[in-house]
Amino acid sequence: KAGVTQTPRYLIKTRGQQVTLSCSPISGHRSVSWYQQTPGQGLQFLFEYFSETQRNKGNFPGRFSGRQFSNSRSEMNVSTLELGDSALYLCASNELSSYNEQFFGPGTRLTVL
Amino acid sequence: DQQVKQNSPSLSVQEGRISILNCDYTNSMFDYFLWYKKYPAEGPTFLISISSIKDKNEDGRFTVFLNKSAKHLSLHIVPSQPGDSAVYFCAARTEYGNKLVFGAGTILRVKS
Repeated sequence: KAGVTQTPRYLIKTRGQQVTLSCSPISGHRSVSWYQQTPGQGLQFLFEYFSETQRNKGNFPGRFSGRQFSNSRSEMNVSTLELGDSALYLCASNELSSYNEQFFGPGTRLTVL
Repeated sequence: DQQVKQNSPSLSVQEGRISILNCDYTNSMFDYFLWYKKYPAEGPTFLISISSIKDKNEDGRFTVFLNKSAKHLSLHIVPSQPGDSAVYFCAARTEYGNKLVFGAGTILRVKS
């Protein structure tokens, strides 16, 4: 099976712009979670989608949003970008029967100038 | 509020010796703990996990120990190999949903 794919891999934006990141889960995986990784902070949970519904949300401002499509692909959007949004954004997918092991994609490196 | 803490930012070990990575947590509702390994430019890769009802889980060279009373877990790698050099993240999960709470990570360097 192909792994989790994320596009684009790298992105440079300026403050105030908005950005959309895409994630395709492993075939058959219906749950998709998003994480933000910044130096020294580890991975911070953004949100989780299952069957096109947001099931869980982390402590991020409303500028961070997401959605999931019927084919389980997911997008996350960040509006009004700030310098502090520069990070690696990781997507993870897993099957219903295995909540514990999440499979991660390579991430999208976002730089905000 | 850091519920999962990895207090050692880095660890350096000689090839063939044991690597011990530590993790502390504060939330007693965590029921499952995982270790992930991450190489540069790649996403984290699942390594090993342990349920809160157990105190040890072993998989080849990797063993995870859980001390619930101390809210502490550790990952032992024996013997350490240069290919083990990576960032190791400890993560914990509560009963509900897929939200994983991660520590800040420990950089492991295995010297040959």
